[in-house]
Amino acid sequence: DGGITQSPKYLFRKEGQNVTLSCEQNLNHDAMYWYRQDPGQGLRLIYYSQIVNDFQKGDIAEGYSVSREKKESFPLTVTSAQKNPTAFYLCASSIDRWPGNTIYFGEGSWLTVV
Amino acid sequence: AQTVTQSQPEMSVQEAETVTLSCTYDTSESDYYLFWYKQPPSRQMILVIRQEAYKQQNATENRFSVNFQKAAKSFSLKISDSQLGDAAMYFCAYRSPHSGKGQGGSEKLVFGKGTKLTVNP
Repeated sequence: DGGITQSPKYLFRKEGQNVTLSCEQNLNHDAMYWYRQDPGQGLRLIYYSQIVNDFQKGDIAEGYSVSREKKESFPLTVTSAQKNPTAFYLCASSIDRWPGNTIYFGEGSWLTVV
Repeated sequence: AQTVTQSQPEMSVQEAETVTLSCTYDTSESDYYLFWYKQPPSRQMILVIRQEAYKQQNATENRFSVNFQKAAKSFSLKISDSQLGDAAMYFCAYRSPHSGKGQGGSEKLVFGKGTKLTVNP
């Protein structure tokens, strides 16, 4: 089945550690996105990529980094510089950058700082 | 920058009844796209319905329909014949047609804070 796979589902990070969240899609979509969701809040854009080897910062990129070496993969690294990383992270994709296209979401990853 | 407001943090409806979720947005653009997403307890975001601002006709998808009032910048979601499986968080979202390198551009969805819908048997 086509879709977006995020892993791990649950991740615990110690203070000072970097962690990487995986996002893989087999939908042949050009555009990929990372969103963060905090309790009682909507989603906020962290980073997005419209094509391989290119990505741009969203609204809350500080403390995060990404790469887009392959069309199907868009991993997100939460660095130690991110002061409040505990949140639910959603990866998404769309066929291209046209704004009328549907953005599809993965099942998300929970990150908790311990 | 565009903003999306959902004024109802929680709503409840009896099974088989109809419920309407409110959404207003603020924009200076004349063309844009609006979406309603559902987030069930599994937390995956699922598209419910979408509306293009240039279309006057309200979008419908089976039991789900919208009341799009462009002048009032209102985009409410009506769920008819509510089912237990409709219980979820519902998010209204806005997307600009113009690229803005991340700030107010078409690269992102701007979400409201959501409405938690409870369906009572």
